[in-house]
Amino acid sequence: DTAVSQTPKYLVTQMGNDKSIKCEQNLGHDTMYWYKQDSKKFLKIMFSYNNKELIINETVPNRFSPKSPDKAHLNLHINSLELGDSAVYFCASSQEGINEKLFFGSGTQLSVL
Amino acid sequence: SQKIEQNSEALNIQEGKTATLTCNYTNYSPAYLQWYRQDPGRGPVFLLLIRENEKEKRKERLKVTFDTTLKQSLFHITASQPADSATYLCALVYVGFQKLVFGTGTRLLVSP
Repeated sequence: DTAVSQTPKYLVTQMGNDKSIKCEQNLGHDTMYWYKQDSKKFLKIMFSYNNKELIINETVPNRFSPKSPDKAHLNLHINSLELGDSAVYFCASSQEGINEKLFFGSGTQLSVL
Repeated sequence: SQKIEQNSEALNIQEGKTATLTCNYTNYSPAYLQWYRQDPGRGPVFLLLIRENEKEKRKERLKVTFDTTLKQSLFHITASQPADSATYLCALVYVGFQKLVFGTGTRLLVSP
C-alpha cells in the first residue's frame, strides 16, 4: 500500500488553465506538506497543514490554494497557470510536525506550455 | 536567511569504497538535521536524523556527523554499492521556524 499517494503523476497543460493535484496519506499522520522542486532540483516548502489547519504559507502566489478536507488529504489547486509554474510538486506527511521525518509522495511533474 | 550548501558536482566512487558527502550551513544553528535519498522520478526517502546535541548517528552502513562549530554535517556510506547511486539531500530544521529547509543535493555515482 502506498503511504503517500498523489495524482496525477504527469500534468501537461496550457498557460492560463486551472489545475488541481490531489494527495492522500494512509499513515494516520497529523501534518501534511506541499513542496516544489525546480529544474535545479531545489526542494522548497510551499505549505504545511496540521490537522486541517494551515501552519506554513511560504511566499507563494495566491494563485496556489491548498485545501485540506480532512487530515488525510491535502490538495493543491493552481489558477491561471504560468510557464514558471512548471516543476515537480511533492506532497509529504509527518507524524507530529516538522521535527519528525517526512514521507514523500512520488511527485507530480507539471509542464505548462 | 538560511543557506545550505551541498556539493553540486556529482561524486564518483568505486564500489566498496566509503562515500562522504558534505552539508554546510550558515547563519542559525539548526535543531535537527536530516538526510534523505532521492532516486530519479521518485520522492525523497528519509535516511537519518541527528539532533544538535548529538555528534554522530549510525544506521547499518550509514553514518552521519554533526559539527555545530564548523556548521557542517558529513554523511558517510561505507562499503558502497552501485545501488547506493542516487541524489542525497540534507535538510535542516531551525528552532522557531517550523519548517524543513533542504539543500540542493549531491548526486552519488558508485561504479562496479
